[in-house]
Amino acid sequence: GAVVSQHPSWVICKSGTSVKIECRSLDFQATTMFWYRQFPKQSLMLMATSNEGSKATYEQGVEKDKFLINHASLTLSTLTVTSAHPEDSSFYICSAPRPSGLAEEQYFGPGTRLTVT
Amino acid sequence: GESVGLHLPTLSVQEGDNSIINCAYSNSASDYFIWYKQESGKGPQFIIDIRSNMDKRQGQRVTVLLNKTVKHLSLQIAATQPGDSAVYFCAENANTGKLIFGQGTTLQVKP
Repeated sequence: GAVVSQHPSWVICKSGTSVKIECRSLDFQATTMFWYRQFPKQSLMLMATSNEGSKATYEQGVEKDKFLINHASLTLSTLTVTSAHPEDSSFYICSAPRPSGLAEEQYFGPGTRLTVT
Repeated sequence: GESVGLHLPTLSVQEGDNSIINCAYSNSASDYFIWYKQESGKGPQFIIDIRSNMDKRQGQRVTVLLNKTVKHLSLQIAATQPGDSAVYFCAENANTGKLIFGQGTTLQVKP
């Protein structure tokens, strides 16, 4: 069964509005989660690292005021896209690693398809 | 800058044949590599990994080869099946757990 879930699986919003995407680890605690963005027919690009109990760390070129990340608990991280624009339309994927650090124990969520009209 | 790239964007193979997907990386300090499979509209799925102290690692129907001299990684899929059709990514895992993904190769399996 799924180890990491995302909600919603897809969302359509109007330009200028904000959208919140949730990422949950279902049977383990994750002090760190990762958020990726994937445009059609492109690779996954790491946006930020979500840290429980502290601020998220953003990759170069990612606007922290636009993509708000909150690691509310050891099983939940949220990504809020503020003042969304059509160019923010993308597939957003989170991942959560178990403490082992093994890649096979870093689980990806099913993704959230965001469409901004 | 650091990058992990793939040679071919699309690979088409006949069902039952073997598939080979290639990947080049640029950071010679990288020491951990992973192959992922991504089906349409889903998140990546772990296939196999390899550390830099190894040249080859085998899984079920899959083999990863690492050539550190030329900074090249490959994924071999034996007896390719229609269910193997997907996009395949190689990725470099930094010590922080961050993953740097390659561009991806679409594998199409013809019945």
